[in-house]
Amino acid sequence: EAGVAQSPRYKIIEKRQSVAFWCNPISGHATLYWYQQILGQGPKLLIQFQNNGVVDDSQLPKDRFSAERLKGVDSTLKIQPAKLEDSAVYLCASSSLRGQGGNEQFFGPGTRLTVL
Amino acid sequence: AQSVTQLGSHVSVSEGALVLLRCNYSSSVPPYLFWYVQYPNQGLQLLLKYTTGATLVKGINGFEAEFKKSETSFHLTKPSAHMSDAAEYFCAVTHSGAGSYQLTFGKGTKLSVIP
Repeated sequence: EAGVAQSPRYKIIEKRQSVAFWCNPISGHATLYWYQQILGQGPKLLIQFQNNGVVDDSQLPKDRFSAERLKGVDSTLKIQPAKLEDSAVYLCASSSLRGQGGNEQFFGPGTRLTVL
Repeated sequence: AQSVTQLGSHVSVSEGALVLLRCNYSSSVPPYLFWYVQYPNQGLQLLLKYTTGATLVKGINGFEAEFKKSETSFHLTKPSAHMSDAAEYFCAVTHSGAGSYQLTFGKGTKLSVIP
């Protein structure tokens, strides 16, 4: 079974530029998550999708961050414009619906963003 | 609201020694608890989880954890450390019921294994 795929793996941009990250979840997984992991901290949920609908985006800075999951499969996370404090690893994870909260979330390798 | 506290941002053990990584949680409802491991430049991998039932949970790579409700703890242990165990470990909590089942992670504990 193929894992969660993310691209790019690394990205360096100047502040005020825009950037986009892509995630392809495990086939058949209805739930997709985007996390932000700042150096020295645990991952923090940004947004959760179930199929192509948003379940929770309460911690997404909506003035600069946006995410979509068209057709309930792949997802993109965009930052526009980027700030220095957005430097972090952005992790995508997916899980199946069955069992809900006890389900394992499968994580991709992440995209390391550096904002200069 | 739920939260996780991991005691010790960095733990060093000798190869062959006991590994003990501490995790305390706060949750107003019965929790689901997880331990994830993260190797450098990789995503998180599930080590083990507690949902219901037996409070002593065994995971991959010889790790286990015990859910202690009275102590609100879910400490991770391994009897004998290997060099390959060097990584960062995250404890996380969620709970059943309506909602998004979002995971709340601790800040992580970096484990170093000394040969």
